[in-house]
Amino acid sequence: AQSVTQLGSHVSVSEGALVLLRCNYSSSVPPYLFWYVQYPNQGLQLLLKYTTGATLVKGINGFEAEFKKSETSFHLTKPSAHMSDAAEYFCAVSDLLRGSTLGRLYFGRGTQLTVWP
Amino acid sequence: DSGVTQTPKHLITATGQRVTLRCSPRSGDLSVYWYQQSLDQGLQFLIQYYNGEERAKGNILERFSAQQFPDLHSELNLSSLELGDSALYFCASSVGGGADTQYFGPGTRLTVL
Repeated sequence: AQSVTQLGSHVSVSEGALVLLRCNYSSSVPPYLFWYVQYPNQGLQLLLKYTTGATLVKGINGFEAEFKKSETSFHLTKPSAHMSDAAEYFCAVSDLLRGSTLGRLYFGRGTQLTVWP
Repeated sequence: DSGVTQTPKHLITATGQRVTLRCSPRSGDLSVYWYQQSLDQGLQFLIQYYNGEERAKGNILERFSAQQFPDLHSELNLSSLELGDSALYFCASSVGGGADTQYFGPGTRLTVL
């Protein structure tokens, strides 16, 4: 089974500061990679995903992530934090079978982002 | 709004009871997934259905079962409930599998007393 490690269960930044949320995965081949955000009392919303092609992926709300195969990492960044970014962020990987109907996601434990005014 | 609906939003029941959680996927999506979110285990994949057939199983207990109906809605049945089953249960749907984006419902919060 694949696994995902998110370093830091809590990250705090000031408004306007850089946001960096770390994600490493274990897989023998590059999987599909996802970042989801969860606001309080809500379901998960996709921020961005990497499937193939360009390793720098841009998502919604100004977030982006870079797939680095050599480091088995998919860190999430945002140049300038906003108060509305406060939420829990989950990194996930999917099964390896490209083109398959198999689609289960393996999630990290999540990182709670706090943004200070 | 993701387009995925789940009912009920909240469920409070007693140990030993049985409950059914319901999920309606987005229009056009053939895959339905069930996930459990708890403080102990985090977000865990339970089961996936694709076009009515079971496609993958995760860490789903034998006391739990699911099905996907011809209209593609899905139900997750939890029986002989234990305190440890208290959690948030999410349903997600996607067109197919693999790289397809999974859209999550708002979840059903189950409390077992």
